[in-house]
Amino acid sequence: DIQMTQSPSTLSASVGDRVTITCRASQSINNGVAWYQQKPGKAPKLLIYGASSLESGVPSRFSGSGSGTEFTLTISGLQPDDFARYYCQQYYSQNTFGQGTRLEI
Amino acid sequence: EVQLVESGGGLVQPGRSLRLSCSSSGFNFGDHAMNWVRQAPGKGLEWVGFIRTKASGETTSYAASVRGRFTISRDDSKGIAYLQMDSLKTEDTAVYFCNRWTGGASFGAYWGQGTLATVSS
Repeated sequence: DIQMTQSPSTLSASVGDRVTITCRASQSINNGVAWYQQKPGKAPKLLIYGASSLESGVPSRFSGSGSGTEFTLTISGLQPDDFARYYCQQYYSQNTFGQGTRLEI
Repeated sequence: EVQLVESGGGLVQPGRSLRLSCSSSGFNFGDHAMNWVRQAPGKGLEWVGFIRTKASGETTSYAASVRGRFTISRDDSKGIAYLQMDSLKTEDTAVYFCNRWTGGASFGAYWGQGTLATVSS
C-alpha cells in the first residue's frame, strides 16, 4: 500500500501569510494527488486535483505542485476563512490520505 | 445540483452489523464510481473502499483495515450505494462519508454530510 506522509501536523500563521504544506508518497504516484480543506463538522472540500489543477470555484490563492513522490499545497495571502485542517490524498493506486495539517492562527 | 446523503448510522454492539446507505440525486448515478471514507472522532480521514460502475464490472477495493468485514454494493436503479459493515469493532466508530469519483479518478468533488456509526457495548 502507498503511504502518504504529511507535514507539518500543525502550522501557526497569520492573516496575509504564505504557507506551504508538504506530502511525501512512499513510491512514485505521478501526479495522482488531491488536496482537501475540512472544517469542524463538515465534509472535506476539494481544492486541488492532479497535483496542480485548481478545482472550480476555489480561490486562486490556493496552488499545488509536485510530481513523483513530493507534493506541496501553498496558500498565498491567508484569509480568516482558511484556518482549517488540510489533507492530501493519493489516488494513483487505491486511495490513501495524509495525516492532516491543522492550520491555526 | 449534485447531492449525496448518507444514512443508517447509529449505535451498535461490537460483533454486530450495520448497513449504511448513500442516496444520490442530481446526476446519473450509474455513470460514476463511488468511495466510502471514514473519520474517527478527532482523527484524520481514512479511505474505506470503492465500487466501480456496472460498465467496469462493479469491481470493489477495500482498505486492509476493513477487508473481509465490509462490503460495498450499489443499486443503480435507486441511485444508492451501500456499505455493509459486519463483525464491527470499537475502532470502527467514525463518521462515514460517501463521495463520487470525478471521471475515472477516485478523488471526490462531491461528498455527503456523513453519518455517525458508534460501536460500543
